[in-house]
Amino acid sequence: DQQVKQNSPSLSVQEGRISILNCDYTNSMFDYFLWYKKYPAEGPTFLISISSIKDKNEDGRFTVFLNKSAKHLSLHIVPSQPGDSAVYFCAAQRNSWGKLQFGAGTQVVVTP
Amino acid sequence: DVKVTQSSRYLVKRTGEKVFLECVQDMDHENMFWYRQDPGLGLRLIYFSYDVKMKEKGDIPEGYSVSREKKERFSLILESASTNQTSMYLCASSLPGGSYNSPLHFGNGTRLTVT
Repeated sequence: DQQVKQNSPSLSVQEGRISILNCDYTNSMFDYFLWYKKYPAEGPTFLISISSIKDKNEDGRFTVFLNKSAKHLSLHIVPSQPGDSAVYFCAAQRNSWGKLQFGAGTQVVVTP
Repeated sequence: DVKVTQSSRYLVKRTGEKVFLECVQDMDHENMFWYRQDPGLGLRLIYFSYDVKMKEKGDIPEGYSVSREKKERFSLILESASTNQTSMYLCASSLPGGSYNSPLHFGNGTRLTVT
């Protein structure tokens, strides 16, 4: 049973607009959350992370928001660029040493 | 930059064959991992290793084994390949400290097809 769920398999957004990717989790013991980005024919690369003591973490155009009570996190990309077209995986773990549990991924397509 | 190299990009094997997937990293990382990626299921951990000759089962170890004889090399073994092992296999490495403090560095993957 998947503990990390990305219910939108795909997202299409216009260049310059905001991309919002959503992720839900079922295990209340998760404390750390990460986003990875994957281009075709390449392995995933780390993008941004957040711990449960925070509700927001920002890195340039990327911001992750965490709502612990709702067991929900989201990744905002502002503004979206064509190079952001990729598959984005949400991942969570119970502590800083725990095994990562990944979601199924969301394919983002940024159109000109 | 960390480089994680998987020996094959594509592999086609027959049911029942013994299959070796090789992974080498060049950054002296202690931790190494094997994942498989399937549509709708994301990445699932098969096995991982925190040190030479050490291995731990992940979430889906059935049908697989691993070998880590040298720090830089982590091999995934399918003792008797089956069609349900057709998948994209991803190797990763990291420094000690857990995935949050030391993000995973992935190879480009091996697409295995078992016929």
